[in-house]
Amino acid sequence: DTAVSQTPKYLVTQMGNDKSIKCEQNLGHDTMYWYKQDSKKFLKIMFSYNNKELIINETVPNRFSPKSPDKAHLNLHINSLELGDSAVYFCASSRAPNEKLFFGSGTQLSVL
Amino acid sequence: QQQVKQSPQSLIVQKGGISIINCAYENTAFDYFPWYQQFPGKGPALLIAIRPDVSEKKEGRFTISFNKSAKQFSLHIMDSQPGDSATYFCAASKSSARQLTFGSGTQLTVLP
Repeated sequence: DTAVSQTPKYLVTQMGNDKSIKCEQNLGHDTMYWYKQDSKKFLKIMFSYNNKELIINETVPNRFSPKSPDKAHLNLHINSLELGDSAVYFCASSRAPNEKLFFGSGTQLSVL
Repeated sequence: QQQVKQSPQSLIVQKGGISIINCAYENTAFDYFPWYQQFPGKGPALLIAIRPDVSEKKEGRFTISFNKSAKQFSLHIMDSQPGDSATYFCAASKSSARQLTFGSGTQLTVLP
């Protein structure tokens, strides 16, 4: 049983397209996150939801929009993809903000 | 922006040797210092964590050393094994915060 699962694992798309990444956790956690890992491995938080409420919204272009339909799901929609969006996107969850993070396996996004 | 500075960026160690990764922080309010381990193609996973009421914490071959006055903490991997080859991230946060501040990562390679 995968604790935090995200799909797809790989996403290759053209500039200008719109794409979504889905995330689900079966840990019963209240808090979910999206992180971006660039080519130098640097991990940067993008968004965090606690009980379906947005609590962290870092400086991220408006083209990125998270959606949390329920506590177990946090999806990421990206409009008008740009070359610089190419990265690995990780979903994570924790029991509460600032507690142990459980990460998914990542979605490698390549924008051509 | 609050920072956690991590060094070295990469580290090569012979099997059986000691791997040491260092981190320094600026915010004296930080009171939680975890280390995450990331294997290729996987998300980071919590390895070990320490709070500033102790100067050292050991779990198996992994030890965190914490120096509150110097605002530094380090990860020591004793008897390093090829299976320890991964990227290691230090992080820090304060109890009232909603997120971790990650270091830039150290790519460890343990040669057989």
